[in-house]
Amino acid sequence: GAGVSQSPSNKVTEKGKDVELRCDPISGHTALYWYRQSLGQGLEFLIYFQGNSAPDKSGLPSDRFSAERTGGSVSTLTIQRTQQEDSAVYLCASSLELTGRNYGYTFGSGTRLTVV
Amino acid sequence: AQKVTQAQTEISVVEKEDVTLDCVYETRDTTYYLFWYKQPPSGELVFLIRRNSFDEQNEISGRYSWNFQKSTSSFNFTITASQVVDSAVYFCALSEANSGYALNFGKGTSLLVTP
Repeated sequence: GAGVSQSPSNKVTEKGKDVELRCDPISGHTALYWYRQSLGQGLEFLIYFQGNSAPDKSGLPSDRFSAERTGGSVSTLTIQRTQQEDSAVYLCASSLELTGRNYGYTFGSGTRLTVV
Repeated sequence: AQKVTQAQTEISVVEKEDVTLDCVYETRDTTYYLFWYKQPPSGELVFLIRRNSFDEQNEISGRYSWNFQKSTSSFNFTITASQVVDSAVYFCALSEANSGYALNFGKGTSLLVTP
């Protein structure tokens, strides 16, 4: 597609439920990142994928968070047993290569997650 | 520790004024990249510029200009003749080789341009 597509755009879930957030990067982009934006924490890095290499999970806040990227394209971020502090906008970004050469990272519109 | 500091939380200017958004970064890498992003009220992050650590040449794009100074670890952003449409939150970000080039964002500066 022309841009990074994220779904759903909004998600309301009950505390304790699992949620899956989806990201479709720009075709051909080898690097894919997940970030979280919340009022108290600003923009936080969660995880990135580069080609077929093992993902860097250093930013994941707890073991309730996991992500996978199938076939080097679509990525899913899963949050298990959601907590109210997980409420945030989850942003996905992709780039042509790891350093974001020339074009930077293109961000999707995000998924607004609300845990009630 | 905060690697990118945007000391100005909020700035309010009147249309046509010039405004400079400050960004100070911290890194031990010799190879790194600096970015500015704009986040308008719609929420989407819009890429503005990327600089690498080996290129200190300042850049101008229309009403936007960027001043990169390694000596002071700063990458400031100036909007000339501001317009109401410039109202947004602006983020400065750093990416480093030793952290997989993940973007490390500052807290952002909220710019309000009034008519």
